[in-house]
Amino acid sequence: DAKTTQPPSMDCAEGRAANLPCNHSTISGNEYVYWYRQIHSQGPQYIIHGLKNNETNEMASLIITEDRKSSTLILPHATLRDTAVYYCIVRVAISNFGNEKLTFGTGTRLTIIP
Amino acid sequence: DAGVTQSPTHLIKTRGQHVTLRCSPISGHKSVSWYQQVLGQGPQFIFQYYEKEERGRGNFPDRFSARQFPNYSSELNVNALLLGDSALYLCASRLQGVGYTFGSGTRLTVV
Repeated sequence: DAKTTQPPSMDCAEGRAANLPCNHSTISGNEYVYWYRQIHSQGPQYIIHGLKNNETNEMASLIITEDRKSSTLILPHATLRDTAVYYCIVRVAISNFGNEKLTFGTGTRLTIIP
Repeated sequence: DAGVTQSPTHLIKTRGQHVTLRCSPISGHKSVSWYQQVLGQGPQFIFQYYEKEERGRGNFPDRFSARQFPNYSSELNVNALLLGDSALYLCASRLQGVGYTFGSGTRLTVV
């Protein structure tokens, strides 16, 4: 799986959009970008994933650059409950129940400020 | 709907002992994975099981073992505990086509 690079920490004002960057310059054509977050002392929570097109769901939007070497997770209206560690993971599509290892880095600690 | 449930939530063991951690996946989820998370780091993959067969193994010593039962629940066993095994142990289950759902974990402290 390709290596990802994320800033160790970020702050965002409550109500503003939080934009979390991730670099994955060695990503392969068949690798997806997954985002998870982990609120203190809980298990990671799946947020969103994408291949090359921008994706949006009820939690967030994922913007992937055209060359796919970087991406940005956008939380449109951050709340205090969005304070968490956010992990960007790159791997081949999880399918056919083969080896489904997720490689977590150290992530970005996002703090939402009142 | 019940999420992924893990038991116990916390436990304390002595060096050299063994421990069994349990995981019940979401109903209908047949794939279960185990992760170890030490303080300040991201989760590290230990095992993945599907239909009672091991489908993946991380870089952990043979003291770590696991199995999956016909009802898709799973156990993680760790023998000869070391202080460095102190961590949050996470179980995750998945339905084909979507991302993993993680449990809240078991906090293991080895003294």
